[in-house]
Amino acid sequence: EVQLVESGGGLVQPGGSLRLSCEASGFTFSRYNMNWVRQAPGKGLEWISYIESDGSTIYYADSVKGRFTISRDNAKNSLTLQMKSLRADDTAVYYCARDRSVFCYESWGQGTLVTVSS
Amino acid sequence: DIQMTQSPSSLSASVGDRVTITCRASQSVSNYLNWYQQKPGKAPKFLIYAASSLVSGVPSRFSGSGSGTDFTLTISSLQPEDFATYYCQQSYRTPPTFGQGTKVEI
Repeated sequence: EVQLVESGGGLVQPGGSLRLSCEASGFTFSRYNMNWVRQAPGKGLEWISYIESDGSTIYYADSVKGRFTISRDNAKNSLTLQMKSLRADDTAVYYCARDRSVFCYESWGQGTLVTVSS
Repeated sequence: DIQMTQSPSSLSASVGDRVTITCRASQSVSNYLNWYQQKPGKAPKFLIYAASSLVSGVPSRFSGSGSGTDFTLTISSLQPEDFATYYCQQSYRTPPTFGQGTKVEI
């Protein structure tokens, strides 16, 4: 069974940093492209970052470019999102999602809540 | 960016009703259109890909159609577990973008 488990969310002050992790199991992690998608409270879904299976190609949404960094460790079946210069509008539940094909999200984690507030 | 617009934003329906949700793209996305279902407090669930292909395990009362800019998600006979918010999403061009969601209520 495919499992994606996010962790690392919490309360952080504006301008602060946070590191999210997504631990994968139940499939060969190194064969799949991965994404981070977020959802602000009461709002819709927003894609924020993509990393190809071997890490060779990375994309970011304009809203996070230059502040967030996606990475992966295929040996540890782990996906990471390093977030810095956090703003109030980064407050959201952050999901990691596995691609079926590029940008087609067939499996999702349960999400981790990031709250940016003073 | 490609804008995805869903209509209606919300609808009220009864068990057994046929429900249709429309998704329109601001430019052609060919058939690179996916649908997700989300229940409160839960992660989205993958329903349909490539506009009309049903994900394995999804009940056959769900169907999708369309190509280019206009797409529909149809639930042929609404069941109690189908009350949720539905999102369309284009995977044709970076950045991938979602519709604003359609909430299906009792």
